[in-house]
Amino acid sequence: DIQMTQSPSSVSASVGDRVTISCRASQGISSWLAWYQQKPGKAPKLLIYAASSLQSGVPSRFSGSGSGTDFTLTISSLQPEDSATYYCQQANSFPLTFGPGTKVDIK
Amino acid sequence: QVQLQESGPGLVKPSETLSLTCTVSRGSINTYYWNWIRQPPGEGLEWIGYIYYSGSTFYNPSLKSRVTISVDTSKNQFSLKLNSMTAADTAVYYCARGSVAGTEFDYWGQGTLVTVSS
Repeated sequence: DIQMTQSPSSVSASVGDRVTISCRASQGISSWLAWYQQKPGKAPKLLIYAASSLQSGVPSRFSGSGSGTDFTLTISSLQPEDSATYYCQQANSFPLTFGPGTKVDIK
Repeated sequence: QVQLQESGPGLVKPSETLSLTCTVSRGSINTYYWNWIRQPPGEGLEWIGYIYYSGSTFYNPSLKSRVTISVDTSKNQFSLKLNSMTAADTAVYYCARGSVAGTEFDYWGQGTLVTVSS
């Protein structure tokens, strides 16, 4: 199985800040990576697929980059509604696996 | 916009079989991959497996011996059976639509909490 790691495990930032979350795969996955946002008590929501493609309806302040083993999710200007846990997921090979999550809090 | 809704018991006894159904509305179950994903309380996400509308399946090897996913296209539903349940299987169970490529999950159900307890 491909193992996914994320850093940091949590981050606290102010409204308007730029926030960057990293995701690393245990082996190369090309651009087969997705990012999700999950709020408490809710299902995850797809933000980014194919490493950098923005899902329809997702605000443009979210962006993704990377390929191979190292990936980044960036929130360019943090908003109060962005408080959530963010997960990466590799889509290169089965079983599909997720990272452990990064919790983003608003200061 | 496609909607998914899980249904099934919230409480299962140890050693018994969990049966959940996901009903797809505002869209056809034909085409796409249909997945089950679970999340233990306070923990991360685990992919259980998928079924393609044609009936082909792929399961997570960690659960493969205990899992069966089936589809009923006439009812626009797909189902999960997980046998020999233990406390470690306590989780929120989600159904989700996989993209055409089967690589990411673009629509999710709201999730249903399943507790394993006697």
